[in-house]
Amino acid sequence: SAVISQKPSRDICQRGTSLTIQCQVDSQVTMMFWYRQQPGQSLTLIATANQGSEATYESGFVIDKFPISRPNLTFSTLTVSNMSPEDSSIYLCSVEVGGDYEQYFGPGTRLTVT
Amino acid sequence: AQSVTQLGSHVSVSEGALVLLRCNYSSSVPPYLFWYVQYPNQGLQLLLKYTTGATLVKGINGFEAEFKKSETSFHLTKPSAHMSDAAEYFCAVSFVNSGYSTLTFGKGTMLLVSP
Repeated sequence: SAVISQKPSRDICQRGTSLTIQCQVDSQVTMMFWYRQQPGQSLTLIATANQGSEATYESGFVIDKFPISRPNLTFSTLTVSNMSPEDSSIYLCSVEVGGDYEQYFGPGTRLTVT
Repeated sequence: AQSVTQLGSHVSVSEGALVLLRCNYSSSVPPYLFWYVQYPNQGLQLLLKYTTGATLVKGINGFEAEFKKSETSFHLTKPSAHMSDAAEYFCAVSFVNSGYSTLTFGKGTMLLVSP
């Protein structure tokens, strides 16, 4: 397993601003993932972050809106840019550990955009 | 394309009753299947997983699930519900692409436990 922390745990932001979310893992991992969970909804994958390469974005998500950094094997950031109220969600990072593709999740960042 | 369907957005049981949360999947390749639980204001916790081998898998907190290929199902059960089981449960299927996997989640089932 892995222990994952996220900062901030929650934030309230004004529209038009940007927020950077940090994800820290207690061990070195190759794959990190960023998800969005809109209110009352399931998780949607935003992008996959592999250390040393550009993140791979899922359909409907673009780098200009959700830039991701992955500077080393234990850390990643997701920025939510030019925010609007529709960006109000929980943002979760996860890591893949072991050989069975299981993912472990951080506690999430609850973002409210006003 | 892979997909996951969870029947019932809400399931209500009494404490001590059987818990049954339903999950059906669609996958073009042998699936890896997972159940996660999310307690209020927390991240997701892995309950159990099926990869290969024994089709009945046991997880944490007394939960288990059975992989039925013929029915493309992976239902989650627990013989006796506790109040502490009240949470949202997500079924997920993995999709392997270029050597790594991504998870596709169902819409979730909220389990309500009454005394």
